[in-house]
Amino acid sequence: GAVVSQHPSWVICKSGTSVKIECRSLDFQATTMFWYRQFPKQSLMLMATSNEGSKATYEQGVEKDKFLINHASLTLSTLTVTSAHPEDSSFYICSAMDFRGAIYEQYFGPGTRLTVT
Amino acid sequence: AQSVTQLDSHVSVSEGTPVLLRCNYSSSYSPSLFWYVQHPNKGLQLLLKYTSAATLVKGINGFEAEFKKSETSFHLTKPSAHMSDAAEYFCVVSEDTGFQKLVFGTGTRLLVSP
Repeated sequence: GAVVSQHPSWVICKSGTSVKIECRSLDFQATTMFWYRQFPKQSLMLMATSNEGSKATYEQGVEKDKFLINHASLTLSTLTVTSAHPEDSSFYICSAMDFRGAIYEQYFGPGTRLTVT
Repeated sequence: AQSVTQLDSHVSVSEGTPVLLRCNYSSSYSPSLFWYVQHPNKGLQLLLKYTSAATLVKGINGFEAEFKKSETSFHLTKPSAHMSDAAEYFCVVSEDTGFQKLVFGTGTRLLVSP
């Protein structure tokens, strides 16, 4: 149980275009989802926290107008990278939190590799 | 702010020999600490977590870690490495009791040779 999927697993887009990444909790309801960014050979950096039905909370230094997050249902959150530039190329990972039985654990998706040309 | 330092970017072991992945933390109060493993094309998986209970924590796949407050360390160990243990390992500290604010270390790549 507690599986999180991401789609697509990799995407290449041209500079100036937008790309949407989906994060789904497959077998549980996630009231809270998180988006991370991982640079090569570096750790994961939290970008934002999203709660179902409310606006996302962005970490300091993350542009909320560039990285649009929508958490419209208890099983789906989306990250849209708007007007992408080569410096946005990275590995984006989502996680979902399962609060059932007060088990506070984040379950991670496999990640999405974004390359902006 | 809390942080973790993983002292080795790469660790190489032979199959069947012990594994030691080192992690030191910095925290102004009693932290919650985790070890996650990342296999290629798979999501990060929780190996074990320390939440102020027993200082020796046993996790999945034979891994364990010991919380040592005096040394501010939370090293990950396994008595005998398997080829399937080859992966990236992250030491993580949580800034809140709900484990929503996770701060990751830079990771240690474990290489296992036959």
